[in-house]
Amino acid sequence: SAVISQKPSRDICQRGTSLTIQCQVDSQVTMMFWYRQQPGQSLTLIATANQGSEATYESGFVIDKFPISRPNLTFSTLTVSNMSPEDSSIYLCSVESRKDRGHYGYTFGSGTRLTVV
Amino acid sequence: GQNIDQPTEMTATEGAIVQINCTYQTSGFNGLFWYQQHAGEAPTFLSYNVLDGLEEKGRFSSFLSRSKGYSYLLLKELQMKDSASYLCAVRANRNAGNNRKLIWGLGTSLAVNP
Repeated sequence: SAVISQKPSRDICQRGTSLTIQCQVDSQVTMMFWYRQQPGQSLTLIATANQGSEATYESGFVIDKFPISRPNLTFSTLTVSNMSPEDSSIYLCSVESRKDRGHYGYTFGSGTRLTVV
Repeated sequence: GQNIDQPTEMTATEGAIVQINCTYQTSGFNGLFWYQQHAGEAPTFLSYNVLDGLEEKGRFSSFLSRSKGYSYLLLKELQMKDSASYLCAVRANRNAGNNRKLIWGLGTSLAVNP
């Protein structure tokens, strides 16, 4: 399975500012997925990032608010722009990786706990 | 639309067996996943089913019936550390280029009591 290093693990930010979250994978992967998870809730997909092309955003998420970079097959960043308290959440990156018996599952970074004050 | 249903909460006793159900309605189907998530941690992969039947892995088993749009996760010999949220997710075929994303259920919070 792939191993993902996600930074920062947590941050407290002022409203109106931006935070960039980084995910580094120890192997080359085609797709990276960015999620948001609010307290006590399930995962909400923000966007899917392919290397060399623009990210595909889900309904309710726009590039101006959540710009994503994917410069190579092992790295991606998600920026939360012009933050408000409603952006307080856990942000997770995920990649598809090989599990046992040749099946593919999805591995997650350790998450970024963001608090906007 | 796409929909995945699972119970919100379940309670069980240490040493017992618990079954967490998941039903799904999606535009296509390309595999069902179960994940475990402890509070404050990232989800971790438990199981994957793409064909009908039971997949067993130690104390955890997962079952799939594609015709019924139904899966369950079976946890045996429950331990206190099994207290966590269990998430059901389906990989449904979508428009070209985006068919490998997952659709997630809201999760089942399992409390294991002594």
